[in-house]
Amino acid sequence: DSGVTQTPKHLITATGQRVTLRCSPRSGDLSVYWYQQSLDQGLQFLIQYYNGEERAKGNILERFSAQQFPDLHSELNLSSLELGDSALYFCASSVRQDAYEQYFGPGTRLTVT
Amino acid sequence: KNEVEQSPQNLTAQEGEFITINCSYSVGISALHWLQQHPGGGIVSLFMLSSGKKKHGRLIATINIQEKHSSLHITASHPRDSAVYICAVRSGGPGGAQKLVFGQGTRLTINP
Repeated sequence: DSGVTQTPKHLITATGQRVTLRCSPRSGDLSVYWYQQSLDQGLQFLIQYYNGEERAKGNILERFSAQQFPDLHSELNLSSLELGDSALYFCASSVRQDAYEQYFGPGTRLTVT
Repeated sequence: KNEVEQSPQNLTAQEGEFITINCSYSVGISALHWLQQHPGGGIVSLFMLSSGKKKHGRLIATINIQEKHSSLHITASHPRDSAVYICAVRSGGPGGAQKLVFGQGTRLTINP
């Protein structure tokens, strides 16, 4: 158990819908990272927050957004969902802001039908 | 061409064999990570290294910065080592932010 929690574990929704994925980092970790793992693209970095502020951005679509709250939990919002958004979404946390040793959550499996 | 390339993509071996997984990268990095992803999907960080060699139990990771290459070795492999092994490099982005760039992974199957 990494200490990082993600909810929900599984999510099935229809195209065009909007969903919110939640991540709680390990106690004391200030950075949260979001990753997408699809069958054809592998793992890709989406976005990082550090202590409530956006720190780094990767291949995140405009339909996706994220935020980190004062209690340091983070949410990833996915809207206007398409079939291609079906993937595993992981969050990870670390103490530092420079992508140092990261602890991964169990992931949320999103299926868009 | 991907910034991080792993080989082989798939590897099947018998229990007890010595395993090597390779990772080559084309960007400047501050560190390289080896991750393990089990069939259930969970990801565990195995190593983080920026030079030389690290060992943990039967796992050994090496990196050659000049050649931009890293290897993960498993000695006395066991069926429980069956997993996907992912190489990721930590490199700088705009504004000095660091991010991880991942290889496609190597699917390892160890048969009893």
